[in-house]
Amino acid sequence: AQSVTQPDIHITVSEGASLELRCNYSYGATPYLFWYVQSPGQGLQLLLKYFSGDTLVQGIKGFEAEFKRSQSSFNLRKPSVHWSDAAEYFCAVGLDYGGSQGNLIFGKGTKLSVKP
Amino acid sequence: NAGVTQTPKFQVLKTGQSMTLQCAQDMNHEYMSWYRQDPGMGLRLIHYSVGAGITDQGEVPNGYNVSRSTTEDFPLRLLSAAPSQTSVYFCASSPGWNTEAFFGQGTRLTVV
Repeated sequence: AQSVTQPDIHITVSEGASLELRCNYSYGATPYLFWYVQSPGQGLQLLLKYFSGDTLVQGIKGFEAEFKRSQSSFNLRKPSVHWSDAAEYFCAVGLDYGGSQGNLIFGKGTKLSVKP
Repeated sequence: NAGVTQTPKFQVLKTGQSMTLQCAQDMNHEYMSWYRQDPGMGLRLIHYSVGAGITDQGEVPNGYNVSRSTTEDFPLRLLSAAPSQTSVYFCASSPGWNTEAFFGQGTRLTVV
């Protein structure tokens, strides 16, 4: 079955430092990949998505992600973290076979803390 | 632009009670879905719908019912609440297959 793995449960970075959040997915014929952010007590907001084409995608709030098919990865990056980036981040993949196809399956999330 | 609206935002139920979580979207999306979010578990798909009159089970459907009589509405029913259903519930809609999902603000449900 398709799945998404976010290896890091909790990451702490200093404000102004760079950030990389890892995401690995099990192979699907056509990976539809997403990163969402959830601030405390809020719903999920889409940061960026990859369907096809350029493997480096730009998103909102200065985030970018790179799709690497050979590594089955879709890591999220930001060159300089702001205190307001503290939140939980979810990677998701679209299901293209098996049950629930057409829907998104989510990783368990990475909580980001930002030190002043 | 309302997007996806969920009501209520908070709810406390006693074990065995029933209730319906409401979800409405105004984007004319065909796909709608319900997820539950539990600490350390991410979001898990409960039920989904690919259009009015069509629903199907997701990863964790037991204890929940859904129906989709209109494009706009996709209520989630708990027939007999159990403490294991204490969770945050999110409704989402999307325009089609494997496209971006738009989420509501969530309903925090506690079953005592």
